[in-house]
Amino acid sequence: EPEVTQTPSHQVTQMGQEVILRCVPISNHLYFYWYRQILGQKVEFLVSFYNNEISEKSEIFDDQFSVERPDGSNFTLKIRSTKLEDSAMYFCASSDRDRGPVEQYFGPGTRLTVT
Amino acid sequence: QKEVEQDPGPLSVPEGAIVSLNCTYSNSAFQYFMWYRQYSRKGPELLMYTYSSGNKEDGRFTAQVDKSSKYISLFIRDSQPSDSATYLCAFNQAGTALIFGKGTTLSVSS
Repeated sequence: EPEVTQTPSHQVTQMGQEVILRCVPISNHLYFYWYRQILGQKVEFLVSFYNNEISEKSEIFDDQFSVERPDGSNFTLKIRSTKLEDSAMYFCASSDRDRGPVEQYFGPGTRLTVT
Repeated sequence: QKEVEQDPGPLSVPEGAIVSLNCTYSNSAFQYFMWYRQYSRKGPELLMYTYSSGNKEDGRFTAQVDKSSKYISLFIRDSQPSDSATYLCAFNQAGTALIFGKGTTLSVSS
């Protein structure tokens, strides 16, 4: 069964460093999302992406964040200058609009630890 | 008032019990009502979704939506140890971000 994959599974970085989290969405999906989950808290929406553009973003997704689809398969989230409070699980999700707008399929996540 | 409220539990039940999980919401614009299951250190997995008020059944799982009360429920019949996970309610309007509850942690003992 097709699935969303994410790399790395765990990333440790120092405060102020740039990180890039990578995702490979399900191949025929058109809509891509990033969510994060701080330990013990709820899953929070960051950004959605369609047709090579951001379609929606939350207040969390400030100028330190950016997304890109550098090729036909990868979808990346970049944090330019990490802060301690960026430590969280970051989940990528994708959906195929033709099958209904709500079926977002999540990857296993990247645990980001900022020290 | 929070947009979504969900009792975090934990909820512990013996194998075979009927489990009831609930969420309330405040945003009348929500159109889709979902339940996700999340195992420890894994991504959320969609269990069921509904579009309107009423019930939807899938095997041992029944999702119930009451739009007038802004209340949704997930019932698990004949619960199994493999059902032990965190259950997240989620809401959205068509094509937009999912708004999650904090999740209820369920433990089913054999």
